[in-house]
Amino acid sequence: DQQVKQNSPSLSVQEGRISILNCDYTNSMFDYFLWYKKYPAEGPTFLISISSIKDKNEDGRFTVFLNKSAKHLSLHIVPSQPGDSAVYFCAASAIYNQGGKLIFGQGTELSVKP
Amino acid sequence: GAVVSQHPSRVICKSGTSVKIECRSLDFQATTMFWYRQFPKQSLMLMATSNEGSKATYEQGVEKDKFLINHASLTLSTLTVTSAHPEDSSFYICSARSGYGANVLTFGAGSRLTVL
Repeated sequence: DQQVKQNSPSLSVQEGRISILNCDYTNSMFDYFLWYKKYPAEGPTFLISISSIKDKNEDGRFTVFLNKSAKHLSLHIVPSQPGDSAVYFCAASAIYNQGGKLIFGQGTELSVKP
Repeated sequence: GAVVSQHPSRVICKSGTSVKIECRSLDFQATTMFWYRQFPKQSLMLMATSNEGSKATYEQGVEKDKFLINHASLTLSTLTVTSAHPEDSSFYICSARSGYGANVLTFGAGSRLTVL
């Protein structure tokens, strides 16, 4: 049972444009959501997070939007840069229910072309 | 910032041998660490939750006798892959929750295990 889904395995964007990565979840107990960036043969690096009490969180070029009714979140990167090329994982946790363990989506490989 | 160190980064072993991977929180104490496994082009799958001073909690389908976890101190958790087989070849990543932003996990750099 895939509780966190990233249905797009890959995304290609032109430098300077907006990248939008999507994530859906099924477990209504999730109350905290995170985005991680990962390069090959390295561990994931935390990017940005959002609590379920919010619908938007912004940090520089990165903005995460949460639509609880649709059980959907998205990560917007604008403007996209070639250095943003990596695999992006969304993750969800239910801090008070499942001990805070993170459940990851399958990842979306972002390629930003110059 | 919080740093999680993982060692070794790469290990190649023969089938039937055991391999130990260490995960250390360098500048913070971690009562709980999480071990993940990633196959190529796939998601990070949670294997187990390592608890300092007590038994690890394994996810469904993960053999606890195969993947031994020891969390002997507040800064060290180890994962031992016992009697490794080629199908155990994978990328193993540990993580810990640092003091700041309690919901954020900090990940180690991962360990690539190849079993011949």
